Amino acid sequence: DAGVIQSPRHEVTEMGQEVTLRCKPISGHDYLFWYRQTMMRGLELLIYFNNNVPIDDSGMPEDRFSAKMPNASFSTLKIQPSEPRDSAVYFCASSFRQAPDGYTFGSGTRLTVV
Amino acid sequence: DQQVKQNSPSLSVQEGRISILNCDYTNSMFDYFLWYKKYPAEGPTFLISISSIKDKNEDGRFTVFLNKSAKHLSLHIVPSQPGDSAVYFCAAVLGNTGKLIFGQGTTLQVKP
Repeated sequence: DAGVIQSPRHEVTEMGQEVTLRCKPISGHDYLFWYRQTMMRGLELLIYFNNNVPIDDSGMPEDRFSAKMPNASFSTLKIQPSEPRDSAVYFCASSFRQAPDGYTFGSGTRLTVV
Repeated sequence: DQQVKQNSPSLSVQEGRISILNCDYTNSMFDYFLWYKKYPAEGPTFLISISSIKDKNEDGRFTVFLNKSAKHLSLHIVPSQPGDSAVYFCAAVLGNTGKLIFGQGTTLQVKP
C-alpha cells in the first residue's frame, strides 16, 4: 500500500482565496483524521470521520473550514476564505478501528497564505 | 486549553548519551499514552505507547515512564544516535472518545 496520500505537498495562496486540501486514506481503514500542526499548539485534531461520516468536528477553527468524505477513498479539507493565520502544515491520518498506535499519517500539506 | 504539554521545545544531546523527553497532561480521563516521531517533510510515525495501568514500557533503546499521580510521562532513549534526531510528539487518548490529543512537540538533536 502506498500509505496515506495527501495533495498538494505545498500550497501558496493569497488571502481571501479558497484552498482545498486532499487526502486518500489507506484502503480498508475506517477512520480518517485531519490534523493541523503549528509551533504553538503542536498537532491539533480538526475533525475525524468514521465510515465516511463526520463524528467530531469540534476542533474546526471556524466556519471558514469545512471537510467532506464523499467515499471511503477520498476526503477534502476546504478553507474559504483563507487567512494568513491559517498558514500551517495540515496532516491527514487514517486507522483501522481508531487504534491510536495504528494511525498512519500522510506527509502533510504545507499551506502558506500571503 | 492545552491538555498535553511538552514544555521543552528543543533538546540537544551527545551521541551515546541518554535523551529524556518530558510530557505533562491535565486530564485524568486519559487512559493511553503514546510517543510519535517525526522527520522533516514526513508525517509522524508511532514509536512507543503505554497504558495507564502500567508505569513503564520498554522497546529496545526506547523506554516510556508514566507517573499518574504527577500526570507526567517521559521518553528515555539510550543510547542516543544521530538518526534519532527528529521531532517527538507526546499524545494521549481520551478514553471515552478515543480521540488522540497531541502535545506541541520537542525537537531532539543528537550530535555525533
